Amino acid sequence: AQTVTQSQPEMSVQEAETVTLSCTYDTSESDYYLFWYKQPPSRQMILVIRQEAYKQQNATENRFSVNFQKAAKSFSLKISDSQLGDAAMYFCAYRRPSQGGSEKLVFGKGTKLTVNP
Amino acid sequence: DAGITQSPRHKVTETGTPVTLRCHQTENHRYMYWYRQDPGHGLRLIHYSYGVKDTDKGEVSDGYSVSRSKTEDFLLTLESATSSQTSVYFCAIRPTGGRTGELFFGEGSRLTVL
Repeated sequence: AQTVTQSQPEMSVQEAETVTLSCTYDTSESDYYLFWYKQPPSRQMILVIRQEAYKQQNATENRFSVNFQKAAKSFSLKISDSQLGDAAMYFCAYRRPSQGGSEKLVFGKGTKLTVNP
Repeated sequence: DAGITQSPRHKVTETGTPVTLRCHQTENHRYMYWYRQDPGHGLRLIHYSYGVKDTDKGEVSDGYSVSRSKTEDFLLTLESATSSQTSVYFCAIRPTGGRTGELFFGEGSRLTVL
């Protein structure tokens, strides 16, 4: 079974600085999908960024970027120019390629990010 | 906005009582999911559905059942609630046709079992 590990239960960053959240996963597949979700205090789960394993180029969405190291099975999230609104729980998630269409997301346990003014 | 509504948003109940949580979507997506979120565990899949009357178990399905009689509604039932089922429950949909298969979530339902 696939597992997703987030080794940092909590992180903190100063406003305007850069922070990197770690994620590793275990899989025997060569093609798969990876995601980062953000959960602010409102509890809403918000998709931040996605990465397709066959793409070597790291995904970027504005201030959010990933460092995808396929051989190392590592998928870290970098937040640049951190803002107070970035404070949230961040979850890393993995999905196998579709086999009949019922593939599920497997989530890590999350990293709580605090942004200090 | 993925058009997902969960109800109720908050519920307090007593051990041994039945509870049903409802997930309603407005966009006719085929795939729907129920996750629970607990501190230190992230989100864990309870059950999912891949069409009307087509459902399957996730990793933490014991004590839960689901039903999907219409495309737009996916119900999660706790036949006899226990304190270990105190949690935040999230419904999610996977948009049809998307390659990467990301999920979009409802706002969550907080259930407290006393």
